[in-house]
Amino acid sequence: GAGVSQSPSNKVTEKGKDVELRCDPISGHTALYWYRQRLGQGLEFLIYFQGNSAPDKSGLPSDRFSAERTGESVSTLTIQRTQQEDSAVYLCASSLTTSGGDNEQFFGPGTRLTVL
Amino acid sequence: GQNIDQPTEMTATEGAIVQINCTYQTSGFNGLFWYQQHAGEAPTFLSYNVLDGLEEKGRFSSFLSRSKGYSYLLLKELQMKDSASYLCAVDESGYGQNFVFGPGTRLSVLP
Repeated sequence: GAGVSQSPSNKVTEKGKDVELRCDPISGHTALYWYRQRLGQGLEFLIYFQGNSAPDKSGLPSDRFSAERTGESVSTLTIQRTQQEDSAVYLCASSLTTSGGDNEQFFGPGTRLTVL
Repeated sequence: GQNIDQPTEMTATEGAIVQINCTYQTSGFNGLFWYQQHAGEAPTFLSYNVLDGLEEKGRFSSFLSRSKGYSYLLLKELQMKDSASYLCAVDESGYGQNFVFGPGTRLSVLP
């Protein structure tokens, strides 16, 4: 595809349920990022993948959050036992490399998660 | 620790020039990015600075002073479509994993 895609675009779930969000990065991009953006606020870094290296999970807010990526392809972000505070837009971004200006991040359209 | 500051909101008039400032204190520095984000949409790349000085790209320019931990985004000949949030982001490591975004500046362009 031409850009980063994410699915679903919108997800409404009940408190306590698990959700899985998907990100398809731009083909050939080695780096992939997940961010959370609450309404009217800035981007909050969650997790970073680079090639086959162990991911940087330093931004995950709790052990209810986990993410996987197979090689340099699709990534999934899973939130277990969702809470109302998890309601936000979850943005995925990918970049070609991790050096200099080539690590310009291309963002997907995001998944808007609403926990009732 | 890491800290990136930007004004929360700014207002300007169509056709005018506006400067959006960003100051940063990070454990490392390997480049500063500016992104534009329209309401309800994903951020899109505007500029990248890694050396001191001014980078010009059409109506948008970005300046960096590494010694002062300071950058600004300059928007000329403002148009209504420039109403958006502008995000300053620092790559702390150069390896991509320490990428820190500021809170963003919401710019409103008035007729």
